[in-house]
Amino acid sequence: GQQLNQSPQSMFIQEGEDVSMNCTSSSIFNTWLWYKQDPGEGPVLLIALYKAGELTSNGRLTAQFGITRKDSFLNISASIPSDVGIYFCAGQRGAQKLVFGQGTRLTINP
Amino acid sequence: EAQVTQNPRYLITVTGKKLTVTCSQNMNHEYMSWYRQDPGLGLRQIYYSMNVEVTDKGDVPEGYKVSRKEKRNFPLILESPSPNQTSLYFCASSHAKGPNGYNEQFFGPGTRLTVL
Repeated sequence: GQQLNQSPQSMFIQEGEDVSMNCTSSSIFNTWLWYKQDPGEGPVLLIALYKAGELTSNGRLTAQFGITRKDSFLNISASIPSDVGIYFCAGQRGAQKLVFGQGTRLTINP
Repeated sequence: EAQVTQNPRYLITVTGKKLTVTCSQNMNHEYMSWYRQDPGLGLRQIYYSMNVEVTDKGDVPEGYKVSRKEKRNFPLILESPSPNQTSLYFCASSHAKGPNGYNEQFFGPGTRLTVL
């Protein structure tokens, strides 16, 4: 099945640093989503993007839906310890069908 | 509290022994789905259901069955589990349609399955 290419696969940063991760696809998506997964839990939606070129913020998080509809990025500013986890991008095609990226594991050194 | 519940949370079994992982949601959602999560592969969809008695294959359906007899429940059945089905499984639910074409899927806490 199709997958999104998400990078980087892992990040080790200092508290307070900014974080950037992105996803690319060979196919077009109608909607791009960013999820976060805490240890031992299921993914939780952070940001949903519905239009090409859209830039959306949610607190310290900012995400953009690429103009070509084949890519998206997520930025986290001024990272804090609770940002630790695995971040997934996902593209939507058709009714509720999601294709996920491989995930970016974020580790923060205090 | 609105939630998606899965049982069991952890299961160790042996090859060939039939098992069922239950999923239940209390949000009156039409759409339910099962995913498996494997390192380096993200989440991959196994099966999904748009409503009662309506199910369809996802990207990796081989070796799995599902049923949707009631709106709130969507069990995942492994008739003859094999070691390559060792994985972390997530159930998710959502409303089927929304104003922007996508409704947020709410995920359960996961079931970690080991098949020996």
